[in-house]
Amino acid sequence: AQSVTQLGSHVSVSEGALVLLRCNYSSSVPPYLFWYVQYPNQGLQLLLKYTSAATLVKGINGFEAEFKKSETSFHLTKPSAHMSDAAEYFCAVSGFSGGYNKLIFGAGTRLAVHP
Amino acid sequence: EAGVTQFPSHSVIEKGQTVTLRCDPISGHDNLYWYRRVMGKEIKFLLHFVKESKQDESGMPNNRFLAERTGGTYSTLKVQPAELEDSGVYFCASSGGSGEWYNEQFFGPGTRLTVL
Repeated sequence: AQSVTQLGSHVSVSEGALVLLRCNYSSSVPPYLFWYVQYPNQGLQLLLKYTSAATLVKGINGFEAEFKKSETSFHLTKPSAHMSDAAEYFCAVSGFSGGYNKLIFGAGTRLAVHP
Repeated sequence: EAGVTQFPSHSVIEKGQTVTLRCDPISGHDNLYWYRRVMGKEIKFLLHFVKESKQDESGMPNNRFLAERTGGTYSTLKVQPAELEDSGVYFCASSGGSGEWYNEQFFGPGTRLTVL
């Protein structure tokens, strides 16, 4: 069975500071991992996904995540936070169901960016 | 191209009443998913349609929940009778292909359901 743990339900950073959102996963099979972002009053939007092709994955809006099998982690980072990054971020692992994809999410991390 | 749409955006009902949520997937997407987020907790999978067929309904909480996708286009999720613990945000997502993991799921904005 797969599961996801996101450390820190709320993270606050200053504009221009490093963003680090933590995600650890548990999976009995090679995982497929995703980060989604939800801006206020919008649906979830895919930021990036790990496909096993490369351990460092680059996504939209300057975000990237590194897959570390030894640590079972897939932390999301951005070198310099922008006010527009304020949103809720979800880490997810793909749970297989007869070959089909259903997403198993962490509880989410709300990112606040202050001037 | 229109994204995934959900209606209504908010619904407030009393315990024991019936509510029907609707999801219109992206045109041409055969795969349609329902998820739910209870306040402050993780988003949980409810079920997956491939066209009009239920591929996986392992996440449906109980038999008060009924999902349909007649004709393989839009889907409805009915809760009857609603209970307090049904409150939360219901998300719909759709994807192309055959539901493989690498097909991105596109999410709607969600329906916020409040049961009083």
